[in-house]
Amino acid sequence: GAVVSQHPSWVICKSGTSVKIECRSLDFQATTMFWYRQFPKQSLMLMATSNEGSKATYEQGVEKDKFLINHASLTLSTLTVTSAHPEDSSFYICSARDFSFRSYNEQFFGPGTRLTVL
Amino acid sequence: AQKITQTQPGMFVQEKEAVTLDCTYDTSDPSYGLFWYKQPSSGEMIFLIYQGSYDQQNATEGRYSLNFQKARKSANLVISASQLGDSAMYFCAMRVNQGAQKLVFGQGTRLTINP
Repeated sequence: GAVVSQHPSWVICKSGTSVKIECRSLDFQATTMFWYRQFPKQSLMLMATSNEGSKATYEQGVEKDKFLINHASLTLSTLTVTSAHPEDSSFYICSARDFSFRSYNEQFFGPGTRLTVL
Repeated sequence: AQKITQTQPGMFVQEKEAVTLDCTYDTSDPSYGLFWYKQPSSGEMIFLIYQGSYDQQNATEGRYSLNFQKARKSANLVISASQLGDSAMYFCAMRVNQGAQKLVFGQGTRLTINP
């Protein structure tokens, strides 16, 4: 399958600062990327869908001004958590789709980024 | 709206035994796909198996098989000959084949394999 990377794998920051998380598709072009959030011992919750060159589509209840998503190229999407607070501490996972990939397994997940806000 | 339900928060199984993880789903769309993922403590999501709504046969991938009962809207994962390395969280997910084709996840089942 295709490879998706995330950077950083973990980050600790002070309350009030902004944190940027990168999601890269390494060997394919991802026209669509998805950002998920996972609290401890809970399921993955979709935050937003980003399409290359257009604005992200946010799920209900997700603050778009708080979680800024940029999908400027076919291999890179970024999630910026602005003015982070302790309640934003979570595991953030991205996934990428390649519409040219004909298999059903066409959404590939990154390894995740663990964010801790002090 | 699409919904996935996993009713088993935790399962404990002896090594080498078979285990069934339950998953029921709800959708009004006729075309959809069902996925199972394994998430070890490291956090990565590992794809295990896929079943399409129009597939006539149950999917199998090595020790994994999917017991697809369309009328009951269930898609249970069966792991045969369990191994210690199977201990992890398991998530059932559904994708409706229209629009953004988002994945909707169930609550997950924590599987523990005992030696």
